[in-house]
Amino acid sequence: DGGITQSPKYLFRKEGQNVTLSCEQNLNHDAMYWYRQDPGQGLRLIYYSQIVNDFQKGDIAEGYSVSREKKESFPLTVTSAQKNPTAFYLCASRDRGRMTLAEAFFGQGTRLTVV
Amino acid sequence: KNEVEQSPQNLTAQEGEFITINCSYSVGISALHWLQQHPGGGIVSLFMLSSGKKKHGRLIATINIQEKHSSLHITASHPRDSAVYICAVLGGATNKLIFGTGTLLAVQP
Repeated sequence: DGGITQSPKYLFRKEGQNVTLSCEQNLNHDAMYWYRQDPGQGLRLIYYSQIVNDFQKGDIAEGYSVSREKKESFPLTVTSAQKNPTAFYLCASRDRGRMTLAEAFFGQGTRLTVV
Repeated sequence: KNEVEQSPQNLTAQEGEFITINCSYSVGISALHWLQQHPGGGIVSLFMLSSGKKKHGRLIATINIQEKHSSLHITASHPRDSAVYICAVLGGATNKLIFGTGTLLAVQP
């Protein structure tokens, strides 16, 4: 079955370490997104990619980096420059092709705790 | 003002009650999603709508494009329905996913 896989579900890291969150999709979707959720707040856009080898900053990109070397993969690195990295991270993807419904798919999320 | 507003923010219901969660948005959209997030954080996509109404089990989602409003209904609610329900729209000037802040639902036995 097609879908998005985020791994791991829970992740613990020491302060000052970079950490990379995985997001893989086998839906042949062009666009992929990373969001962050903090308690009591909605999901906010970190980075997005509309096509391979291209990505754009979202609303809260500082302290994060991404790459899009393959269509199916959009890893997010939380760098040591991110001042408050503990959060829930959600990956999403959608098809930007000729579909009018613009269906989006969502990963299960990764809860990152930095100690 | 947020582009996607949900109400209520918190909702407590007794088992068996009919529940309605509302979502209003202020941008043009191509699709609207209802998502369910359980306490562990995992997110499940419940519905994707662009018009009309969809039903899945005890869940019903409706959307009124003219009024820029969607509702999620849960019939015969059960404690296992307790979760955060999130409305997300695909649209706006940048054609990105925009999320509401969520509705925390607690269904008591």
